[in-house]
Amino acid sequence: DSGVTQTPKHLITATGQRVTLRCSPRSGDLSVYWYQQSLDQGLQFLIQYYNGEERAKGNILERFSAQQFPDLHSELNLSSLELGDSALYFCASSGGTQETQYFGPGTRLLVL
Amino acid sequence: AQSVTQPDIHITVSEGASLELRCNYSYGATPYLFWYVQSPGQGLQLLLKYFSGDTLVQGIKGFEAEFKRSQSSFNLRKPSVHWSDAAEYFCAVLTGTASKLTFGTGTRLQVTL
Repeated sequence: DSGVTQTPKHLITATGQRVTLRCSPRSGDLSVYWYQQSLDQGLQFLIQYYNGEERAKGNILERFSAQQFPDLHSELNLSSLELGDSALYFCASSGGTQETQYFGPGTRLLVL
Repeated sequence: AQSVTQPDIHITVSEGASLELRCNYSYGATPYLFWYVQSPGQGLQLLLKYFSGDTLVQGIKGFEAEFKRSQSSFNLRKPSVHWSDAAEYFCAVLTGTASKLTFGTGTRLQVTL
């Protein structure tokens, strides 16, 4: 158990819908990262937050957004969902930047 | 840009045999390197990491990896594989200036009894 929690574990929705994925980092960690794992793209970095502020952005679509709240939990919002958004979404946390990242169990999203 | 190559998509070994999974990275400075393991339906578990110092690093579950700057490699090894080691293994690099992990495409390990 890494100490990073993610909810829900599974999510099934329809195209055009909007979903929110939630992540709670390890106790004391200030950085939260979001990654997407798909069969065709592999594991890809989406976005990083540090103590409530956006710090780095990767291959994140404009339809996707994230935020980190004062209690340090983070949410990833995916809107106007397409079939191709079906993937496993991981959250990771670390104490700061350039440190070891610990991953949560992931949220498996299926868009029908 | 930094990149990670895992040339072996799928490897099959017999239980009790030794294992080496290959990883090559591309990055100008000294990278921070990681190996993660993903069991079916599970998240990513950290096996080991290299930041600096001793180039041979020990990890959990009896795994070790060696950083070789001259070969830009960070290969994962285990002297005797157990059936429970069957999983997908990912090598990753964290650059000195960015915060993101860049992953290789993974190597799926199958263990035969």
